[in-house]
Amino acid sequence: EAGVVQSPRYKIIEKKQPVAFWCNPISGHNTLYWYRQNLGQGPELLIRYENEEAVDDSQLPKDRFSAERLKGVDSTLKIQPAELGDSAVYLCASSSQGKGYTFGSGTRLTVV
Amino acid sequence: GENVEQHPSTLSVQEGDSAVIKCTYSDSASNYFPWYKQELGKRPQLIIDIRSNVGEKKDQRIAVTLNKTAKHFSLHITETQPEDSAVYFCAAPSRASTGGGADGLTFGKGTHLIIQP
Repeated sequence: EAGVVQSPRYKIIEKKQPVAFWCNPISGHNTLYWYRQNLGQGPELLIRYENEEAVDDSQLPKDRFSAERLKGVDSTLKIQPAELGDSAVYLCASSSQGKGYTFGSGTRLTVV
Repeated sequence: GENVEQHPSTLSVQEGDSAVIKCTYSDSASNYFPWYKQELGKRPQLIIDIRSNVGEKKDQRIAVTLNKTAKHFSLHITETQPEDSAVYFCAAPSRASTGGGADGLTFGKGTHLIIQP
């Protein structure tokens, strides 16, 4: 089966610019997650979707971050405007109840 | 929310020796504990997980033990090989989980395992 697909793999933008990341989960996985991983740290949960519903977005900085999963399949995470501190790897993962996560390869964001 | 502490941050062992990484968690209701391996520049990959209805699980050279009373769990790697060099992360559900796998995870800060030839 195809894994979790993310794009782009790398993105370099200037601060204050907008940026968007895309994720397509494993087919049939109804749970989708966005994580942020800073250098030398473990992933930190930003938001979790069950189908199209965001059921846990308590760690999402809502002043500049937004996410959507309109049809309950693929998802987009957006940052507007980006700040220097947003530089990190943004990981998408999906799971099906009772099974472990599968992570995508991530998008490495550099804000300059 | 859940708090996961992991140590050591760096572990260097001779090839062929064993390595042990330990984690503690704070939420006594947590019942799913995965371990991930992340090689440089790659995605975290699940290597083993354990649910709270068992105390130990083994998969070839990798084993995980769980002590629910003390709220800690450990990863054991025996007969270490060069390809075991990576960063290892433990995790626990961010909120109390009844089934595991669907809830968000809180990760430890990682252990950089170095296998010396």
